[in-house]
Amino acid sequence: DTEVTQTPKHLVMGMTNKKSLKCEQHMGHRAMYWYKQKAKKPPELMFVYSYEKLSINESVPSRFSPECPNSSLLNLHLHALQPEDSALYLCASSQGAGTGGYYGYTFGSGTRLTVV
Amino acid sequence: ELKVEQNPLFLSMQEGKNYTIYCNYSTTSDRLYWYRQDPGKSLESLFVLLSNGAVKQEGRLMASLDTKARLSTLHITAAVHDLSATYFCAVEADKIIFGKGTRLHILP
Repeated sequence: DTEVTQTPKHLVMGMTNKKSLKCEQHMGHRAMYWYKQKAKKPPELMFVYSYEKLSINESVPSRFSPECPNSSLLNLHLHALQPEDSALYLCASSQGAGTGGYYGYTFGSGTRLTVV
Repeated sequence: ELKVEQNPLFLSMQEGKNYTIYCNYSTTSDRLYWYRQDPGKSLESLFVLLSNGAVKQEGRLMASLDTKARLSTLHITAAVHDLSATYFCAVEADKIIFGKGTRLHILP
C-alpha cells in the first residue's frame, strides 16, 4: 500500500461546529504532516508528527488541534473555525523521521474544507 | 530562514517547445523535491534530488540539482498538453519549504 488516505474529501461546516479530518497510511512511515493550501498558493506546513510525537507546530491557532493516535493515523480536530480557514487540507507522510528521506513525501488527496 | 524562489510563476507555451523552470533557495540544503499539482488535486511526487549534481529524468521532464549554486531546474522537452499543471519545488533544511509554484499552460 503506497497511499495516504484522507477522509472526508469534502467538508462544509459552520463556525460553531466541531469536526475532524482523518488521515491514514500503511507504508510504515515514521512521520506525518498536516498542510493547509489556499487556492493558487503553495502548501503551508501546519504540524509535524515524528514517531507519534508532535515535533513541529507552525504557530497554528488553537482552533486546529492535531492528534496522532498511532503510527498509521493522524487526525486534525476543528473547532470554531473562521471562513478564512476554508482551504484544501493535505496530509502527508515520509519514511524519514521529520524529513523526506530518500523517497520524499507522499501526499493524500486532501480534504476540501469550507467554513460558512 | 530558508527562502525558495521559483520562476517563472506562470508559463504559457506551445506544444513541442522546450522550456526550463528554475528553483533558487537561500540556505544550504541537499534535499530538493519536485511536485506536480493538477487543479483541485493533491501533489504528485515527480523527483527527489538528494545530492549535488543529481539529475533525474522521467519522460519529457528532467530535473537537476546544483547545491553549490543553490539551484534546481526542471526542464520540459517537447511539451505536450498533458503536462499542463502547477509545478512546485520544495527544499528541505530543518523543515520543508515550498516555492510559490509555476503554473504551466501548454497550448495545443
